[in-house]
Amino acid sequence: DTGVSQNPRHKITKRGQNVTFRCDPISEHNRLYWYRQTLGQGPEFLTYFQNEAQLEKSRLLSDRFSAERPKGSFSTLEIQRTEQGDSAMYLCASSPVGGETQYFGPGTRLLVL
Amino acid sequence: AQSVTQPDIHITVSEGASLELRCNYSYGATPYLFWYVQSPGQGLQLLLKYFSGDTLVQGIKGFEAEFKRSQSSFNLRKPSVHWSDAAEYFCAVEPSNTGKLIFGQGTTLQVKP
Repeated sequence: DTGVSQNPRHKITKRGQNVTFRCDPISEHNRLYWYRQTLGQGPEFLTYFQNEAQLEKSRLLSDRFSAERPKGSFSTLEIQRTEQGDSAMYLCASSPVGGETQYFGPGTRLLVL
Repeated sequence: AQSVTQPDIHITVSEGASLELRCNYSYGATPYLFWYVQSPGQGLQLLLKYFSGDTLVQGIKGFEAEFKRSQSSFNLRKPSVHWSDAAEYFCAVEPSNTGKLIFGQGTTLQVKP
């Protein structure tokens, strides 16, 4: 068990560009979650998957954001037409099923110039 | 609305002193309760969790927390702080099996030698 991994760890982009982040959960974990954390704040829930189904999306997830988990294993989070306000740490977590402990990855830090 | 409040943004204690970090939540029923720790550049690590049963729960690294239903609180304690405990601490709740963690703003712990 290697834990939750996220790539890249850091991303610098210019406003208006698209970015994509990847999350590999702990193997055999059915649930996968995305959170966003801005400086000085706690993480905020964005969305989560049960296997390949996206079960809930936060209102924070504007139409520029899209997440997928095509085969129920890894997940990608894409941000289109990035804005400076998108600068944050994007955290991924996984758990075996609902109501169980979520294990977090190291995060991807995004800076939009 | 469901919320988590960590009243202390920043706490400084001397090494060897006791520690208590406060957490209050707003939710109609008893949610699942968690404490996570985040060191600089690291992901979130689970310290302990409360789902039901004994209201005093033990965690890793010598931490414990007590759930008090009457006060809607879940305070984190440690009898003797070590310099390596300096980090940011987050209290989180999961409204029953929703899969969505709601985090507090966090408390930054500084440890004086």
